[in-house]
Amino acid sequence: NAGVTQTPKFQVLKTGQSMTLQCAQDMNHNSMYWYRQDPGMGLRLIYYSASEGTTDKGEVPNGYNVSRLNKREFSLRLESAAPSQTSVYFCASSEVRAGGGLAKNIQYFGAGTRLSVL
Amino acid sequence: SQKIEQNSEALNIQEGKTATLTCNYTNYSPAYLQWYRQDPGRGPVFLLLIRENEKEKRKERLKVTFDTTLKQSLFHITASQPADSATYLCALDLSGSARQLTFGSGTQLTVLP
Repeated sequence: NAGVTQTPKFQVLKTGQSMTLQCAQDMNHNSMYWYRQDPGMGLRLIYYSASEGTTDKGEVPNGYNVSRLNKREFSLRLESAAPSQTSVYFCASSEVRAGGGLAKNIQYFGAGTRLSVL
Repeated sequence: SQKIEQNSEALNIQEGKTATLTCNYTNYSPAYLQWYRQDPGRGPVFLLLIRENEKEKRKERLKVTFDTTLKQSLFHITASQPADSATYLCALDLSGSARQLTFGSGTQLTVLP
């Protein structure tokens, strides 16, 4: 039962380099999310995709782009990495469903990608 | 602006005692609130969800309360064990659309043997 798989687990970049973080889920969830986690800041939403073919900005989207490749995969791209993007990145997925009139959004997370930008 | 605050960055308690963590929020009335556990080097894991019309929810040694008047949730771990040591995050849907969750910064709990 893989759940949410993120690659790579670790990455070191130089300022100005680009890279793509990959995320895949095998739970057939409709929604996927990218967060970054910094000490003392908690999880902050970068982008999310409510369904295949749609993406929306979260709280901190600047410097990032995303692609919802299909229902399973949601990638995060840094076009020109900056030291301020040094962080731990988490991908999550959820099945947003209405149950008894209440839509729930229980999220399942990957293990994270630890990114350092020098 | 909408804000979530968790009571402190770190909480140390003795094994066997009850740990109580606090989550406060402002400027919104969420339909539900969630608690997650995060271990070092791992992603958060969902623990419990409590709805606005539920005063209390229990799961084994965990208990969550939700006071929409005080805009506060309390998370209790009874008979705490060293294995309960982790960071605990609360999360709310502040968007109103069930499309996003906003997470608190977490409380790091250490249970001392």
